[in-house]
Amino acid sequence: QVQLVQSGADVKRPGASVKASCKASGYTFTTHRIHWVRQAPGQGLEWMGGINPSGGTTTYAQKFQGRVTMTSDTATSTVYMELTRLGSEDSAIYFCARVSIVGTADFFDFWGQGTLVAVSS
Amino acid sequence: DIQMTQSTSSLSASVGDRVSITCRASQRMSSFLNWYQQKPGQAPKLLIYAASNLQSGVPSRFSGSGSGTDFTLTISSLQPEDFATYYCQQTYRTPYTFGQGTKVEIK
Repeated sequence: QVQLVQSGADVKRPGASVKASCKASGYTFTTHRIHWVRQAPGQGLEWMGGINPSGGTTTYAQKFQGRVTMTSDTATSTVYMELTRLGSEDSAIYFCARVSIVGTADFFDFWGQGTLVAVSS
Repeated sequence: DIQMTQSTSSLSASVGDRVSITCRASQRMSSFLNWYQQKPGQAPKLLIYAASNLQSGVPSRFSGSGSGTDFTLTISSLQPEDFATYYCQQTYRTPYTFGQGTKVEIK
């Protein structure tokens, strides 16, 4: 069965960086893009960007350009999301999600359990 | 960016009620619209993709409709496990924006 297992919670100081991981299993890793979505406490869902593990092509939301880097490791079927220059507004749960396609329509059919990142001095 | 508006942030309903949740896009986007359900402490779960296609394993009481700019998620007979927050998402073009969410609460 398809599973996305994310790394554990992390606490960071303002200005630091965080690197979350998302390990995929139950399907061929290179056949599906992985995207990241975050959710601040009590707030809605915010799309951050995604990566195609076949080739490593990335797309990022403009809001995070210059601060986010998504990478993939096909040997371990793992995708990473690194966010730099953290501020308190980056405190959130970070989800990875697998992208499937029907025709030309993307949708996020499997999600990781989420990684809580807390930014605090 | 395409803005997604769920004009109802919360609604109260009873078990057995028919519930409709609407989502409006700031520009036409064919049927590139997905619906997710999220319960507290859980990741979102895909319900409907491409506006009207029921994801495998999702109960048939959930349905989606719409095209262009206006979309609706309908729950034909609300069940206790359906009390949750529902989000629409457009995947017509990046950034893949979400609506603000509609929380369905018990009346």
